[in-house]
Amino acid sequence: AQSVSQHNHHVILSEAASLELGCNYSYGGTVNLFWYVQYPGQHLQLLLKYFSGDPLVKGIKGFEAEFIKSKFSFNLRKPSVQWSDTAEYFCASRGSYNTDKLIFGTGTRLQVFP
Amino acid sequence: DAGVIQSPRHEVTEMGQEVTLRCKPISGHDYLFWYRQTMMRGLELLIYFNNNVPIDDSGMPEDRFSAKMPNASFSTLKIQPSEPRDSAVYFCASSPVTPPNSPLHFGNGTRLTVT
Repeated sequence: AQSVSQHNHHVILSEAASLELGCNYSYGGTVNLFWYVQYPGQHLQLLLKYFSGDPLVKGIKGFEAEFIKSKFSFNLRKPSVQWSDTAEYFCASRGSYNTDKLIFGTGTRLQVFP
Repeated sequence: DAGVIQSPRHEVTEMGQEVTLRCKPISGHDYLFWYRQTMMRGLELLIYFNNNVPIDDSGMPEDRFSAKMPNASFSTLKIQPSEPRDSAVYFCASSPVTPPNSPLHFGNGTRLTVT
């Protein structure tokens, strides 16, 4: 079955540290990949997405992600995190057999301390 | 635009009771999704509708779960009878077109606790 794996369940960083959250997807034809973020007490919202073209995708709030086809990866990065980045981050892939569906990973909880 | 509205925000119930979760999607959105979030399994898609018609319910855990969408502005997810393992946050999300072409708009979720 198609799946999305996030290996980091909980990440703790100090402000200004660099961030990289891992995401691996199982291959299923055309690749559409997403990162969603859930701030404390809020609903999920889209951070960035990759459909085609430049494998380095820029998102909101200084986040970026790189699609590496050979590694089936779509890692999320930010050079310098802020306390306000404390949230849960979800990687997602479009379903290959049912393209209406988004398959989410289990999420990574990021805590940033001042 | 009020966003996707879910009710209640919190629900505490005893095992065996019936639970009904409600969702009002954003007006004009043709797709509606029900997700369940747990620590162990993350976000799981339970069922989704397109133009009020259930398209894929393969994620519904068992017959105790049912979902309906009687019209374009309302959907329910029902659990009968509820069990402690159903405790989770249930999210409703809507999209104007097929999700890969448009972001999913999530509600604030319903936190269900079954004791």
